[in-house]
Amino acid sequence: GAVVSQHPSRVICKSGTSVKIECRSLDFQATTMFWYRQFPKQSLMLMATSNEGSKATYEQGVEKDKFLINHASLTLSTLTVTSAHPEDSSFYICSARAPRGGSYNEQFFGPGTRLTVL
Amino acid sequence: KQEVTQIPAALSVPEGENLVLNCSFTDSAIYNLQWFRQDPGKGLTSLLLIQSSQREQTSGRLNASLDKSSGRSTLYIAASQPGDSATYLCAVRRFGTASKLTFGTGTRLQVTL
Repeated sequence: GAVVSQHPSRVICKSGTSVKIECRSLDFQATTMFWYRQFPKQSLMLMATSNEGSKATYEQGVEKDKFLINHASLTLSTLTVTSAHPEDSSFYICSARAPRGGSYNEQFFGPGTRLTVL
Repeated sequence: KQEVTQIPAALSVPEGENLVLNCSFTDSAIYNLQWFRQDPGKGLTSLLLIQSSQREQTSGRLNASLDKSSGRSTLYIAASQPGDSATYLCAVRRFGTASKLTFGTGTRLQVTL
């Protein structure tokens, strides 16, 4: 149980285009999902917290107009990188919080999406 | 602001050795601490989760301890195997922050034959 998927696993795009990354909880409903960014050989940095049916909460320094997050259902959150530039190239990982009352609010992580902007 | 540091940053050991990975955090007001494994280019696999009221957790060859008062946790790996080669991350969850995790800097482990 508690499987989280991401799609696509890898994407290469041209500078200036927008890229959408999907995060799905496959066997549980996640009221809260999280989006992280990881640069090579560095740790994960939380970008935003996504709650179903409401606006995402962004961490300090993260541009909300550039990284659009939508959490339209209890099993799907999307991250759209708008007008991508080479500096946006990174590994993006999502996680979904376990249902209330289970697993001490543990987060389950997706396999990540490697974004390369040319 | 919570800061999480892991030492060493990289470690290479021969197969069969026991080893200890260290994690320290600056704010002891944590809800729990979690150890993860990350293979190159992959997502995270949860290894162990220790609640703030617990001292240690064990799973197979892995044992994680927590000393909240000193802001430290260790991950002990017994009888290491080449398949243990990966990056190990610790993360702390603070109180009242909607399950937000603050990750450490990671330890890259290589177990050689």
